Amino acid sequence: GESVGLHLPTLSVQEGDNSIINCAYSNSASDYFIWYKQESGKGPQFIIDIRSNMDKRQGQRVTVLLNKTVKHLSLQIAATQPGDSAVYFCAEETNSNSGYALNFGKGTSLLVTP
Amino acid sequence: DVKVTQSSRYLVKRTGEKVFLECVQDMDHENMFWYRQDPGLGLRLIYFSYDVKMKEKGDIPEGYSVSREKKERFSLILESASTNQTSMYLCASRAGGARYEQYFGPGTRLTVT
Repeated sequence: GESVGLHLPTLSVQEGDNSIINCAYSNSASDYFIWYKQESGKGPQFIIDIRSNMDKRQGQRVTVLLNKTVKHLSLQIAATQPGDSAVYFCAEETNSNSGYALNFGKGTSLLVTP
Repeated sequence: DVKVTQSSRYLVKRTGEKVFLECVQDMDHENMFWYRQDPGLGLRLIYFSYDVKMKEKGDIPEGYSVSREKKERFSLILESASTNQTSMYLCASRAGGARYEQYFGPGTRLTVT
């Protein structure tokens, strides 16, 4: 049966270090991916996106890498800061019968320690 | 800036009550979504709408219904609230077509006692 109350995977990093958060996606036909950040008590916020015709995209202190061969996505955060502590979700876009829906991963909790 | 607002941040209701959660977006987006978020289970899609008066079931529609009478407003209705519907409810909107980001509201923490 379905498990309930699963704990989120947690990544603990020291302030100033680089963080890498990984995500495996399921649909080989997905062609658009997004990373979201969710702070406690708030809704998810967009961080960065990438289309399937790219394998890397950079933003401010963040880089997303896409490996379509193994269906893997990663988010790299440079010089991690305490304000980066949050839950991070990846999402893939799939073309459903009624349009384009996002399929979300379960999230990774990032904890930045001083 | 895109803004998605939800009518309440916190709500406490009794078992059996009819509950309305309202969501409004100000960017003329075609698509709107309702999710619930529970610890360890991530975001699960309840219903979505890709146009006025149109709706599609998501992954967990049982016990919920929706209404979209105007483009900017998408309502989630719990016909008869139950304790297992205690959760964080997130509304989102998105422009039509492919490869657009989805914008989320701040969430409504619903407790059913």
